[in-house]
Amino acid sequence: DAGVIQSPRHEVTEMGQEVTLRCKPISGHDYLFWYRQTMMRGLELLIYFNNNVPIDDSGMPEDRFSAKMPNASFSTLKIQPSEPRDSAVYFCASSPLTFRGEQYFGPGTRLTVT
Amino acid sequence: SQKIEQNSEALNIQEGKTATLTCNYTNYSPAYLQWYRQDPGRGPVFLLLIRENEKEKRKERLKVTFDTTLKQSLFHITASQPADSATYLCPTDTGRRALTFGSGTRLQVQP
Repeated sequence: DAGVIQSPRHEVTEMGQEVTLRCKPISGHDYLFWYRQTMMRGLELLIYFNNNVPIDDSGMPEDRFSAKMPNASFSTLKIQPSEPRDSAVYFCASSPLTFRGEQYFGPGTRLTVT
Repeated sequence: SQKIEQNSEALNIQEGKTATLTCNYTNYSPAYLQWYRQDPGRGPVFLLLIRENEKEKRKERLKVTFDTTLKQSLFHITASQPADSATYLCPTDTGRRALTFGSGTRLQVQP
């Protein structure tokens, strides 16, 4: 398996622009997670899905952030409008439906908002 | 609130020695614990999972123990190598399959 795939790997955008991050989970995994990592705040869970349904979005910082999972093989995280404080590395991870399944992380998208 | 603490932010050891990292947990009775490794600029990588009824789990040079009495998990890397240098994480489980990651322990193995 190719592992979790994220695109783009790097994104530089100007404040106010819309940003869309993409994730393809490992085939057959039932759970998908979006995380954000910064030096100051570490690795934070933003939202996660089970069988394409959002389960917990309490980590989403504000209404500017939205996430969707239209099917089992694709998810997006959108920021609109983007702000400099959104600059971070965004990770997607997926997990199988096993006993407390381990999570498999993608390579991340490094977002820079200027 | 439930909490896991890793015993130090950084650990420096000499190549060939055994590295021991500690996670202590409070207000928390996990059914299992997971350990991950993260290299700079990369996503965390799952290493090992140990259940509460398992005293020890091994994988190559890695060993994890789980002491429910001491409320502690130890992570050992034997015959450490400079390539083992990374940040090691032991996240908590919120009970709904989501994990909460702390800042981890940054291990530096000196050649």
